[in-house]
Amino acid sequence: SQTIHQWPATLVQPVGSPLSLECTVEGTSNPNLYWYRQAAGRGLQLLFYSVGIGQISSEVPQNLSASRPQDRQFILSSKKLLLSDSGFYLCAWSVSLRLSETQYFGPGTRLLVL
Amino acid sequence: AQTVTQSQPEMSVQEAETVTLSCTYDTSESDYYLFWYKQPPSRQMILVIRQEAYKQQNATENRFSVNFQKAAKSFSLKISDSQLGDAAMYFCAYRRGLYSGGGADGLTFGKGTHLIIQP
Repeated sequence: SQTIHQWPATLVQPVGSPLSLECTVEGTSNPNLYWYRQAAGRGLQLLFYSVGIGQISSEVPQNLSASRPQDRQFILSSKKLLLSDSGFYLCAWSVSLRLSETQYFGPGTRLLVL
Repeated sequence: AQTVTQSQPEMSVQEAETVTLSCTYDTSESDYYLFWYKQPPSRQMILVIRQEAYKQQNATENRFSVNFQKAAKSFSLKISDSQLGDAAMYFCAYRRGLYSGGGADGLTFGKGTHLIIQP
């Protein structure tokens, strides 16, 4: 069966510091991968998605970037964090080349920027 | 752009009773999918139910069922025999289908409904 991991689970970082959040998927090949952010009391906002290694699409211009160095690894980064980057970050995957692609979510990372 | 609206920020129901959560969406596409996700206090998003727009039959998963009204662009979730474990945030979500160019689209979410189960 497929599983998705995210780490760290919780992160407290000062403003201006760098960020690296990691997401890995097991049990599937060539998945579509997604990063979402959930601000307090809000729904999820799509940040990035990837259909393959090195292929990144950005939905919202911002202080963040994403990379996919391996087939089942998706990384969210920032060079300098802002207070507004605080939130709950969720990674998701779906099977590619399917007509009805349900997205399955990881456990998430809580990021607090102080 | 597609939008998803959940007009009920919070709902409360007695244990063992039935509750319906509302969702409306706006799209010009003909091929799309709708989802309900549950987010418990752990905050992990869990798929509850999925509906393909081309299917007229409403989806059901055990105690969970939907009322999909395509012309009205309405997609409500009915939870029967509510249990304490159903307490969570519920999010309605939309994505384009493959034939509408949504090959790897992300999901568009509503703002959620907080469901409280009264024992």
